[in-house]
Amino acid sequence: ETGVTQSPTHLIKTRGQQVTLRCSSQSGHNTVSWYQQALGQGPQFIFQYYREEENGRGNFPPRFSGLQFPNYSSELNVNALELDDSALYLCASSKLGQTNYGYTFGSGTRLTVV
Amino acid sequence: AQSVTQLDSQVPVFEEAPVELRCNYSSSVSVYLFWYVQYPNQGLQLLLKYLSGSTLVKGINGFEAEFNKSQTSFHLRKPSVHISDTAEYFCAVRDDKIIFGKGTRLHILP
Repeated sequence: ETGVTQSPTHLIKTRGQQVTLRCSSQSGHNTVSWYQQALGQGPQFIFQYYREEENGRGNFPPRFSGLQFPNYSSELNVNALELDDSALYLCASSKLGQTNYGYTFGSGTRLTVV
Repeated sequence: AQSVTQLDSQVPVFEEAPVELRCNYSSSVSVYLFWYVQYPNQGLQLLLKYLSGSTLVKGINGFEAEFNKSQTSFHLRKPSVHISDTAEYFCAVRDDKIIFGKGTRLHILP
C-alpha cells in the first residue's frame, strides 16, 4: 500500500505571497489532517477534511484554507504569507471509524517565508 | 479538550544505557495515546499506541510504554539505546484529532 506523499518538499516564498501545498493520502484512507510544526515545537493541528468538507479546525486564521478532492487527496492554501508561517507542514491521512485510530504522516513540506 | 505534557525538552543518555521519556495526559473517560518519533529532517513515524487492554505496550525499535491511569502517565522506555535513536519524540493523545506534546529531544552520548 502507498503511504502519504507531500509536495513540494521545500519551498521559499516572499511575505505577502500565497502558497499551495499538496498531499496524497494513503490508499484506503478517507480523512486528511494538516499540521504546522514550527522549529523546536510539536505539530499544531490546522484542520481536518472528510468527504471533501472541513470537519474540525484548530486555532488558525481564515487565510489558512484547504480542499479535499474525490480521490481523498488534499491541498493546504495559505494567503498573505507572514514570516511566522515558516514551518514544516505535515499531512496525515486516516480512515474515519477505523478502530485502531491510525494516522499515517507524510514527510512534510518545509516552507520558508522571507 | 485533552492535552499531553512532556516533562523534559531534552534527555541526554549514554549509548547502551536505559532511557525513559515522560508524558502525562489530561484525564478523560477514554483515552487513546501514542508515541511518535521524528528523525532529523523527516516526518513523523508511529512508535506505539495504547487504545485499550494491556497497559504495557510494545512498539518498534525496542521501545515500550506503560499506560498508568492513576498517574495519568504514558512514559516511553527503552532498556538500551543506540546512536540511531537520536531523534525527537512526541507523545500524543487522540481526541477528534491528534494533539501532540512539545516533544523531547533524545541525545545519545558516545
